[in-house]
Amino acid sequence: QKEVEQDPGPLSVPEGAIVSLNCTYSNSAFQYFMWYRQYSRKGPELLMYTYSSGNKEDGRFTAQVDKSSKYISLFIRDSQPSDSATYLCAMIDRGSTLGRLYFGRGTQLTVWP
Amino acid sequence: GAGVSQSPSNKVTEKGKDVELRCDPISGHTALYWYRQSLGQGLEFLIYFQGNSAPDKSGLPSDRFSAERTGGSVSTLTIQRTQQEDSAVYLCASSPRLAGGDTLAKNIQYFGAGTRLSVL
Repeated sequence: QKEVEQDPGPLSVPEGAIVSLNCTYSNSAFQYFMWYRQYSRKGPELLMYTYSSGNKEDGRFTAQVDKSSKYISLFIRDSQPSDSATYLCAMIDRGSTLGRLYFGRGTQLTVWP
Repeated sequence: GAGVSQSPSNKVTEKGKDVELRCDPISGHTALYWYRQSLGQGLEFLIYFQGNSAPDKSGLPSDRFSAERTGGSVSTLTIQRTQQEDSAVYLCASSPRLAGGDTLAKNIQYFGAGTRLSVL
């Protein structure tokens, strides 16, 4: 079993829909949680990061962490065709001195107009 | 400023050949990472360089893989005797990893666009 599980999709939604992307993890030492967005043939770019349980909002994006359930989510409100990309969750171990990222497989999202 | 630069963007090679992939990190970033992204898979950690410290090679899949970082800047990932299963996108990332910086904001990894390697 991988340390970070993520449904690869694909997920296809109409413009304006609310999108929910999720990851689960097994390592209770994971402390930092990130969401990266990767457009086709591009490198991942950091979208949001958070340390703690609860919600963090940034515009149309909300990151949610539930450490008790080892579950993180990314919500996209009023989704746009420009949001079409692969979304990768990533985590860092609390005890890590090198900041190595543990990634999920990524969820491919298509938002159609 | 310039981001992480990787070259070549695409590389096609024959099985058994050696290849070299180059990464030019963001100026001033002390940490450099290599990851591999295979089709339908997440990013797999390969190797990490931090300043002048010995690299962490724990993610390299076999002894055919090696990497070096010259002068604390440019890095080269070398794959010897390439196999078809080496076909993947190889991504490089750099991070400030500021001294005493143990907060996430100082350790964000910035990725290049990757080198797409195809082994025929």
